[in-house]
Amino acid sequence: DAGVIQSPRHEVTEMGQEVTLRCKPISGHDYLFWYRQTMMRGLELLIYFNNNVPIDDSGMPEDRFSAKMPNASFSTLKIQPSEPRDSAVYFCASSLGGKQPQHFGDGTRLSIL
Amino acid sequence: DQQVKQNSPSLSVQEGRISILNCDYTNSMFDYFLWYKKYPAEGPTFLISISSIKDKNEDGRFTVFLNKSAKHLSLHIVPSQPGDSAVYFCAARKNYGGSQGNLIFGKGTKLSVKP
Repeated sequence: DAGVIQSPRHEVTEMGQEVTLRCKPISGHDYLFWYRQTMMRGLELLIYFNNNVPIDDSGMPEDRFSAKMPNASFSTLKIQPSEPRDSAVYFCASSLGGKQPQHFGDGTRLSIL
Repeated sequence: DQQVKQNSPSLSVQEGRISILNCDYTNSMFDYFLWYKKYPAEGPTFLISISSIKDKNEDGRFTVFLNKSAKHLSLHIVPSQPGDSAVYFCAARKNYGGSQGNLIFGKGTKLSVKP
């Protein structure tokens, strides 16, 4: 069984550059979540989708962050322009139904220099 | 303001003994609690959950206890094995009626099980 697939696994870029993180949820799952993990704040929900529609984006830190889900098998999280404080591990998760446990990908470790 | 707190950043236990990981929460609207386990360079993996209408849920070596009056839950692992060494996250979900509520995570407890 293929789990949640995230790419790239690691990204190192200079501040000011655009960064795009990608996620393929588990086939058939109708909820998709983007999280950010930092030492200071732990694991925080940024945004989640239900049937490709954004439901709650209150965790998105600022306008530099945007997320899309053009279809049921693909989502992107974009940061433009990137800043050093965006350095973190970004996780994508999916679930079948809103009340089922979420399945996480292995994350993208992002470093902004 | 942390709504889910794991006050012990780390815990060391001897193989075969019991591991007890603790979690406190502040929001009485939470209706569902989960424990996730995370190995380095991997995503969190769902371990066990409990609804707020129960006080205990057991799955093999893992048992979660919920004390609603104290707003406290704990994860017991018996017997502990070296493969259980990982970071354990407690998470809680708000009750938004029939819809999915956000998961609020604690900062994790790193468990080390020594042979």
